[in-house]
Amino acid sequence: SQTIHQWPATLVQPVGSPLSLECTVEGTSNPNLYWYRQAAGRGLQLLFYSVGIGQISSEVPQNLSASRPQDRQFILSSKKLLLSDSGFYLCASSGRAISTDTQYFGPGTRLTVL
Amino acid sequence: QKEVEQNSGPLSVPEGAIASLNCTYSDRGSQSFFWYRQYSGKSPELIMSIYSNGDKEDGRFTAQLNKASQYVSLLIRDSQPSDSATYLCAVKVPQGGSEKLVFGKGMKLTVNP
Repeated sequence: SQTIHQWPATLVQPVGSPLSLECTVEGTSNPNLYWYRQAAGRGLQLLFYSVGIGQISSEVPQNLSASRPQDRQFILSSKKLLLSDSGFYLCASSGRAISTDTQYFGPGTRLTVL
Repeated sequence: QKEVEQNSGPLSVPEGAIASLNCTYSDRGSQSFFWYRQYSGKSPELIMSIYSNGDKEDGRFTAQLNKASQYVSLLIRDSQPSDSATYLCAVKVPQGGSEKLVFGKGMKLTVNP
């Protein structure tokens, strides 16, 4: 079974500072990878998804970007954080086949922008 | 707009009761449906997946799917205080040549001892 690692677990950053969140996946190869954000009291919002190395699709316009430098590594970045970027960031992974298409989540990174 | 709607909640039930959580979705092309449980401060964890009309049982949990009426529900029998969490309904919807998972806003369940 796959294991998803995220770090850091918590982060407090000032407005205007850069951001880099990392997600790595073990126990599977060639997964689909996802970044979600969950703001306080709100639902899960899909930010980016990737079906392979260097292949990134963006769901919403924002000051965030994503990259996938390796098959099982997914990075979320920002050059300048906004207050509205605060939230719980979740990385998820799923297989390609219909029988393995369930998404599983990592432990998440709680980001507070002050 | 692909939407997944859950009852606004919160839902409070006594220990040992049946908790019923409901979800409706807008895209008739959806074929895969999921229930996740999220404890406060933690990430969502998968409870059930269901793909065919009818009931699917796993221990104390039963997922029910009715594609004609576009709803999916989760029943929790013999509710325990440890079931207290937010339950997220998720529906996989077609998007271009692929699919994406759309989540409801969640229903907070409290099971009172």
